[in-house]
Amino acid sequence: EAGVAQSPRYKIIEKRQSVAFWCNPISGHATLYWYQQILGQGPKLLIQFQNNGVVDDSQLPKDRFSAERLKGVDSTLKIQPAKLEDSAVYLCASSSGQGLSPLHFGNGTRLTVT
Amino acid sequence: SQKIEQNSEALNIQEGKTATLTCNYTNYSPAYLQWYRQDPGRGPVFLLLIRENEKEKRKERLKVTFDTTLKQSLFHITASQPADSATYLCALDGSGAGSYQLTFGKGTKLSVIP
Repeated sequence: EAGVAQSPRYKIIEKRQSVAFWCNPISGHATLYWYQQILGQGPKLLIQFQNNGVVDDSQLPKDRFSAERLKGVDSTLKIQPAKLEDSAVYLCASSSGQGLSPLHFGNGTRLTVT
Repeated sequence: SQKIEQNSEALNIQEGKTATLTCNYTNYSPAYLQWYRQDPGRGPVFLLLIRENEKEKRKERLKVTFDTTLKQSLFHITASQPADSATYLCALDGSGAGSYQLTFGKGTKLSVIP
């Protein structure tokens, strides 16, 4: 089975600019997550979707971050305007949502804000 | 507040020895705990899941224990090899029943020295 696809792999922007990340989960996976991983830290959940509905976005900085999952498949995460502290790897993960199915992660987008 | 601690940021061991990584948690009552492996520039990869009513789980050279009284999980790699060098993350479901949402520790970077 194809894994979780993310693009771009790397992105460098200046502060106050905007950026968008794209994720294509494993086919048939109902649950999709966006995590932020700052260097030396574990992944931190930003938002969780079940199909195309938001389950939890309590840790998403909504004044600058937004995410959508149209048609319950692909998802985009946007930051506008970016701050220096947003420099991190943004990981997308998906799971089948059945029982205790593990999370399958993409390789992430490394964002550098200068 | 809920907290996950992986006690060692880095662990160096000699090839062939058993590596033991520790995950402690506070203010959680997890029904299960998961371990993931993360290589540089890659997303985490699922290794093992252990439920609260299981004391021990094995998979090839990997063994996980889960002590809900001590609020601790130990992750063992026996006969370690240089290819086992990676960061290992423990993760708990901190969301409460139903939504299946993992919170990750910071990880332990394991280096197996030939």
